[in-house]
Amino acid sequence: AQRVTQPEKLLSVFKGAPVELKCNYSYSGSPELFWYVQYSRQRLQLLLRHISRESIKGFTADLNKGETSFHLKKPFAQEEDSAMYYCALLNAGGTSYGKLTFGQGTILTVHP
Amino acid sequence: DAGVTQSPTHLIKTRGQHVTLRCSPISGHKSVSWYQQVLGQGPQFIFQYYEKEERGRGNFPDRFSARQFPNYSSELNVNALLLGDSALYLCASSPEGGTKNEQFFGPGTRLTVL
Repeated sequence: AQRVTQPEKLLSVFKGAPVELKCNYSYSGSPELFWYVQYSRQRLQLLLRHISRESIKGFTADLNKGETSFHLKKPFAQEEDSAMYYCALLNAGGTSYGKLTFGQGTILTVHP
Repeated sequence: DAGVTQSPTHLIKTRGQHVTLRCSPISGHKSVSWYQQVLGQGPQFIFQYYEKEERGRGNFPDRFSARQFPNYSSELNVNALLLGDSALYLCASSPEGGTKNEQFFGPGTRLTVL
């Protein structure tokens, strides 16, 4: 069964510090992974997906198949980055076609 | 475009009752997915519909059902409500079904079962 684990429920950093939100997954096929973000009083929105290999709002994430990880990184955190972050894995087949499996989420707080 | 819309915003029901939640996708999107988000957890997949057919189903009991209409809007129905059904129910739409496109989420319907 596929699974996504975000080991940190809460993460606090100071403005300008580097930040890394951890995500590990288990999946028998070739994974397609995403990071979603939810800012205060806003809806869940896509931050980035591994297949596009782009940087959004200064965030990057590299898929490491050997370590089954997809950690989200930003070299210099900003106060506006404070939000809930979810790592998600897409199921590409079977009876759960199109299913996104989410981790439990990490609340990132960036202090001034 | 207002994005994905859901109604109602909040709902309070008692155990054993039935509930219907509604979702309107972004214009031009043909696929709708439903997720349940219990407090403190990530969203859990319930269903995906594409072109009015069920394309995927999560690990939920048969009390949960859904359908998609010709205009691509969707309803999620839950029968015989239990206290554990209290959650935020999210709807997401995408232009095509399955894996091809980003899923855009609505604001959710907060269901409380007493």
